[in-house]
Amino acid sequence: DTGVSQDPRHKITKRGQNVTFRCDPISEHNRLYWYRQTLGQGPEFLTYFQNEAQLEKSRLLSDRFSAERPKGSFSTLEIQRTEQGDSAMYLCASSLVAGGNTEAFFGQGTRLTVV
Amino acid sequence: DAKTTQPNSMESNEEEPVHLPCNHSTISGTDYIHWYRQLPSQGPEYVIHGLTSNVNNRMASLAIAEDRKSSTLILHRATLRDAAVYYCILRDDKIIFGKGTRLHILP
Repeated sequence: DTGVSQDPRHKITKRGQNVTFRCDPISEHNRLYWYRQTLGQGPEFLTYFQNEAQLEKSRLLSDRFSAERPKGSFSTLEIQRTEQGDSAMYLCASSLVAGGNTEAFFGQGTRLTVV
Repeated sequence: DAKTTQPNSMESNEEEPVHLPCNHSTISGTDYIHWYRQLPSQGPEYVIHGLTSNVNNRMASLAIAEDRKSSTLILHRATLRDAAVYYCILRDDKIIFGKGTRLHILP
């Protein structure tokens, strides 16, 4: 257990439905990251936060995706009007400070299946 | 974002040392070299990181070339539990993953 929690662990949804995932980072961590991972590929960066501020969004994050971190603690990732191509593992990570001289801790991920 | 090049896969025998190479010829002065690994059905796990000097921790050692254009992750005595995908990452702030090296451990 890394201390980063993701909920739910698995989600099956019908195409066109909206889904929301939650990430609870390690409590004192300022940085929070979201990734998407499909089978056989490395995790792809989606977006990240410094406290409640969203610093960057990947072009992979279409208009149907939105992420929030309202009080600088937990974060949510919402996908609207899901498509089969959204089926993937969604990973969350947190780290204490900005910059390269710190490790990130990853959650176990939420596996999304769109049918 | 700076890129790294790793072999797609490697094999090693159990209880022998493993040297996982990584090339990063476009590394910048502020990039730290990080290694993460991902076991099947789990999120990535931090292994080690360094800037210029070699680093050791309980999991592994990191050897960094003098020009910083390459590095090697060393697992001193591989076990079956070390079978995973190992990612070499240059980190200035974000963590951008490549394809990694899938390490197979032979009993």
